[in-house]
Amino acid sequence: ELKVEQNPLFLSMQEGKNYTIYCNYSTTSDRLYWYRQDPGKSLESLFVLLSNGAVKQEGRLMASLDTKARLSTLHITAAVHDLSATYFCAVGHFGNEKLTFGTGTRLTIIP
Amino acid sequence: DSGVTQTPKHLITATGQRVTLRCSPRSGDLSVYWYQQSLDQGLQFLIQYYNGEERAKGNILERFSAQQFPDLHSELNLSSLELGDSALYFCASSVSGGNGYTFGSGTRLTVV
Repeated sequence: ELKVEQNPLFLSMQEGKNYTIYCNYSTTSDRLYWYRQDPGKSLESLFVLLSNGAVKQEGRLMASLDTKARLSTLHITAAVHDLSATYFCAVGHFGNEKLTFGTGTRLTIIP
Repeated sequence: DSGVTQTPKHLITATGQRVTLRCSPRSGDLSVYWYQQSLDQGLQFLIQYYNGEERAKGNILERFSAQQFPDLHSELNLSSLELGDSALYFCASSVSGGNGYTFGSGTRLTVV
């Protein structure tokens, strides 16, 4: 059974600092996704990573995938308050389109 | 607006009752997925339909069922509701799962 772990679960950081969220998964997968969720809201797609070594960047967020280590990272550069949200990674299952989500990382940016 | 429409947005009902949640996918998307989000279990995949047929099943209780109609909208039926069924239920759609899903705004179900 595919298991997805994220850490940390909670992250409080000051504006302007850098930090990384980690997503580890237990079995081989061919795709990994990052989503953002604001409280009580829907999930917004951030990144789709489909190959080993894939790196994608959007603004202050950068995601990478190492399929051999079964690890993805979401790096935040020079954090701003607007980035406060919960971030989820989700891993695809071979042979079907089901996703298994991580536990989420609740990120709070402090001015 | 993501293009995935879910109704109703909020639903409050009593234990033992039955409710139906509705989802209209983005135009052109053939796949619909249902997820449950609760505080204790996180985001759990329930079921996927593709062009009217069940494609994949997850942790869906026997009291729950779903279907996808010829116009591609989908309904999730929850029966014999229990307090523990209180959660956010999301629908998502995709053309092809490889490029990820688009999520709807969710239905918040409260069972009292």
